[in-house]
Amino acid sequence: DAGITQSPRHKVTETGTPVTLRCHQTENHRYMYWYRQDPGHGLRLIHYSYGVKDTDKGEVSDGYSVSRSKTEDFLLTLESATSSQTSVYFCAIRPSGNTGELFFGEGSRLTVL
Amino acid sequence: EDKVVQSPLSLVVHEGDTVTLNCSYEVTNFRSLLWYKQEKKAPTFLFMLTSSGIEKKSGRLSSILDKKELFSILNITATQTGDSAVYLCAVANLISSGSARQLTFGSGTQLTVLP
Repeated sequence: DAGITQSPRHKVTETGTPVTLRCHQTENHRYMYWYRQDPGHGLRLIHYSYGVKDTDKGEVSDGYSVSRSKTEDFLLTLESATSSQTSVYFCAIRPSGNTGELFFGEGSRLTVL
Repeated sequence: EDKVVQSPLSLVVHEGDTVTLNCSYEVTNFRSLLWYKQEKKAPTFLFMLTSSGIEKKSGRLSSILDKKELFSILNITATQTGDSAVYLCAVANLISSGSARQLTFGSGTQLTVLP
């Protein structure tokens, strides 16, 4: 158990509404990541963080923003949700000192109508 | 652009069969190659490979990396119905910010093991 909690686990919303997904970790890991998973695309990196207030864009960052004001929380915000953002979102952490292994949260399924 | 390609996309076998899953990659600043198993929920880690030619083994699963030809294989022997899952290959490379490492994933191989 990597101590990662995502919330909400399921959400249905309407196009144009803001949505925030939360990732909470209990083990003070420096690196945190948000991925989305869609059929045929595997997991794609949205944004990542390498410390409090230190974030950067991934492969599919358009339409998303993130914030990390505390080590334990990494928030993903969709300012104005679109149907193309219907997906399963996974948060992940990487323990310091390893060469890439990530541990994933249970995922948040978002449906944008 | 970094790329990870897995084959086959899906595979149906019977219990007891042996399967080989393939992963090829093109990434800059390669650090390691990882295999994950994903059932209904989050991906769970199987192996991490950093050196060519050294087989990693865990029970009926094994994997090897070829850094010259840029591919890896995951073998599962004596398959069981519990092996049914999506198997994801990912490559970790070094990205610019604060020594963060990014994982680039393939689209996965859906393995179905029939009784």
